[in-house]
Amino acid sequence: DAKTTQPTSMDCAEGRAANLPCNHSTISGNEYVYWYRQIHSQGPQYIIHGLKNNETNEMASLIITEDRKSSTLILPHATLRDTAVYYCIVRVEGKLIFGQGTTLQVKP
Amino acid sequence: ETGVTQTPRHLVMGMTNKKSLKCEQHLGHNAMYWYKQSAKKPLELMFVYNFKEQTENNSVPSRFSPECPNSSHLFLHLHTLQPEDSALYLCASSQEQGWTNYGYTFGSGTRLTVV
Repeated sequence: DAKTTQPTSMDCAEGRAANLPCNHSTISGNEYVYWYRQIHSQGPQYIIHGLKNNETNEMASLIITEDRKSSTLILPHATLRDTAVYYCIVRVEGKLIFGQGTTLQVKP
Repeated sequence: ETGVTQTPRHLVMGMTNKKSLKCEQHLGHNAMYWYKQSAKKPLELMFVYNFKEQTENNSVPSRFSPECPNSSHLFLHLHTLQPEDSALYLCASSQEQGWTNYGYTFGSGTRLTVV
């Protein structure tokens, strides 16, 4: 079973920041948090991952709380092409187990 | 192009047919995975191979038969499938199973329809 919980869906206005939350209260000290997204009927695309420090790359930022029980993926300027299902994943026994994810709808 | 190539992209097969899905990666990865994604459901992990050895089979019916001849290639052989097996089949690879610093690279998938 997935070790994370996410809202089922979210909307975001184009050009605004999209903040996608994730709870992972049972995460262990050496487990990473990964974020992927899946645009309709394509393979999941890696976005970012982190352990305890905040991370930023060209796609997004990842904010992890100090107790590591939750995190937030931030897309700083959402575009229509960011409409997708976003998955927050904690590896389980070395494997990526996907949950339902959050469907992000970016609206003009 | 992600570095993981899956063929064919689309496949329609009858319940009595035998077909194979192919996955190929030249990323230097040593672990490969098959996932199944049925309509409006999360991805389900089917099989895991690490250094060509199968390390996981998540109670997948025997009508699905994986093969990993080397670390770059992964096949999924299909025979006597059922209509409920219609789904998007995704292949992924990673440096090694259990490697914590990197995630998986996924292919674009094969859309399978069983008629």
